[in-house]
Amino acid sequence: DQQVKQNSPSLSVQEGRISILNCDYTNSMFDYFLWYKKYPAEGPTFLISISSIKDKNEDGRFTVFLNKSAKHLSLHIVPSQPGDSAVYFCAASGNNDMRFGAGTRLTVKP
Amino acid sequence: DAGITQSPRYKITETGRQVTLMCHQTWSHSYMFWYRQDLGHGLRLIYYSAAADITDKGEVPDGYVVSRSKTENFPLTLESATRSQTSVYFCASSRTGSSRANVLTFGAGSRLTVL
Repeated sequence: DQQVKQNSPSLSVQEGRISILNCDYTNSMFDYFLWYKKYPAEGPTFLISISSIKDKNEDGRFTVFLNKSAKHLSLHIVPSQPGDSAVYFCAASGNNDMRFGAGTRLTVKP
Repeated sequence: DAGITQSPRYKITETGRQVTLMCHQTWSHSYMFWYRQDLGHGLRLIYYSAAADITDKGEVPDGYVVSRSKTENFPLTLESATRSQTSVYFCASSRTGSSRANVLTFGAGSRLTVL
């Protein structure tokens, strides 16, 4: 059973526009959420995280929003840059468990 | 070099053969993990280790064996490889296994093809 879902396998946006990547989870025990970014032939790298006690966390061009009641989080990238083209994995952790989504491939067109 | 290194980066083997994927980290992180990445499934945990000589199963452990005799090394062995084990394997480490602040650092991956 997939406890963390990223329903959009791919997303294409124009350079300078906003990219919004979505993630849903089912396990209410999850209390910490992370986004990882992965380039081809490399391992995932940590991007940004958020605790369940917050509903927003910002780091430069990247903002993560958490809606606990909907069990939904999203990653906003503003403005998007061609170097942001990568696969983005959402992860949720809690109760000594961590689960990843299937990933969303973001393409930012110049 | 500091970091987490995996070897080999690419491996082709045949069904039934034994394969060992190596993972070495230089941070002295307590926790180490093995994940596999498959299309449509994302990253799934195979095994993890909280310290030397302490290992535990993850989400998809069947067909795999791990050991951790030294803190810095965490090899993953497929004792009799099957085609369903064709995948990209990622080793990761973290300073803490606490789920609250469990930021993982990943290696570059090992792409395994089982014919």
